Amino acid sequence: KAGVTQTPRYLIKTRGQQVTLSCSPISGHRSVSWYQQTPGQGLQFLFEYFSETQRNKGNFPGRFSGRQFSNSRSEMNVSTLELGDSALYLCASSLDGLARNEQFFGPGTRLTVL
Amino acid sequence: KQEVTQIPAALSVPEGENLVLNCSFTDSAIYNLQWFRQDPGKGLTSLLLIQSSQREQTSGRLNASLDKSSGRSTLYIAASQPGDSATYLCAVRGGSEKLVFGKGTKLTVNP
Repeated sequence: KAGVTQTPRYLIKTRGQQVTLSCSPISGHRSVSWYQQTPGQGLQFLFEYFSETQRNKGNFPGRFSGRQFSNSRSEMNVSTLELGDSALYLCASSLDGLARNEQFFGPGTRLTVL
Repeated sequence: KQEVTQIPAALSVPEGENLVLNCSFTDSAIYNLQWFRQDPGKGLTSLLLIQSSQREQTSGRLNASLDKSSGRSTLYIAASQPGDSATYLCAVRGGSEKLVFGKGTKLTVNP
């Protein structure tokens, strides 16, 4: 069974631009979560989607948004990029929205904002 | 607010040594705790998931324990190998249902 895939793997953008990251969960998984990883803050939760609905959200500004499609694939969008948005963005999938389920992570998208 | 702490931040051991990584959390009302491994520049690999009702889980040379009442978990690695070198992260899932991560322990196993 294929794992979680994320595209693109690397991105370079300039301040003020916007970016869209994509995540395809493990086949059969319906819950997708997004995390930001930086050297200073570590791993921080962005949001979680289940059945095309956002069911949980972290403490990030409104510039960070996401959505989930009917096939469970998810996209994350960051508008008006800032230098501090440079990070590894990780997507995780789990079977359903239940808290007991194991989360499986993708390889991440490395975003560099210049 | 849940806080997760991992000590030590870095650990260097000779090959073959048994070692223990520590994780503590402030709010004991958790659903589960998950240990991950992260290689440089890569994503997270799930190692073990311990539900709140469990005391330990084992996978190969890895054994994780959970003491929910004291807010502690340990990851025991037996007979360490150079390939075990990585950053180990623990994460708890509590009432907010989001994973809260520690900053990790960077492990180096020297041949």
